[in-house]
Amino acid sequence: AQSVAQPEDQVNVAEGNPLTVKCTYSVSGNPYLFWYVQYPNRGLQFLLKYITGDNLVKGSYGFEAEFNKSQTSFHLKKPSALVSDSALYFCAVRDNGSGYSTLTFGKGTMLLVSP
Amino acid sequence: NAGVTQTPKFQVLKTGQSMTLQCAQDMNHEYMSWYRQDPGMGLRLIHYSVGAGITDQGEVPNGYNVSRSTTEDFPLRLLSAAPSQTSVYFCASSGRGLNTEAFFGQGTRLTVV
Repeated sequence: AQSVAQPEDQVNVAEGNPLTVKCTYSVSGNPYLFWYVQYPNRGLQFLLKYITGDNLVKGSYGFEAEFNKSQTSFHLKKPSALVSDSALYFCAVRDNGSGYSTLTFGKGTMLLVSP
Repeated sequence: NAGVTQTPKFQVLKTGQSMTLQCAQDMNHEYMSWYRQDPGMGLRLIHYSVGAGITDQGEVPNGYNVSRSTTEDFPLRLLSAAPSQTSVYFCASSGRGLNTEAFFGQGTRLTVV
């Protein structure tokens, strides 16, 4: 069975500082990994995904994520945080083993960027 | 291009009532799913469909029914609402292929009293 862990319920960072939101995963095959962002009272918006190839994936709004197969991690990063980045972030995984695999989400990490 | 549209946005039900949450997508996506979001629990999969006429259960299917008669629509039915079904419900769709991202609706906030 596939699973995702986001070990931090909340991450606090000052505006202008770099941010990292952590994600680890477990799959039986090879993973397809995704990050989504949710602003208050809104649906989830896609940020970026890892399918194969370069371990550093660039996405929307200046976000990037680093895939590390040996550590089974896919941490979300941004070099300089903005107050407007404050939101709930979800990591998700699909297993590309045999058959259809649904999207499994972590519990989410609230990012708070202070001015 | 509307994407994924959910109706209603808000709903209050009495225990025992039934209702249908509507979901429609205009991207010709084969895959559609229903999730519920509860504080501290992330998104949990209720039911999903890999194409018209094909549905399957997710992690928390009890108390919910789905059907998929067309590619566009994937309604979620609550048979007899319970307070434990108070939640925010999201519908999502994605194209064929496990490497495609899902697109989400704006959600339905359901309260069962």
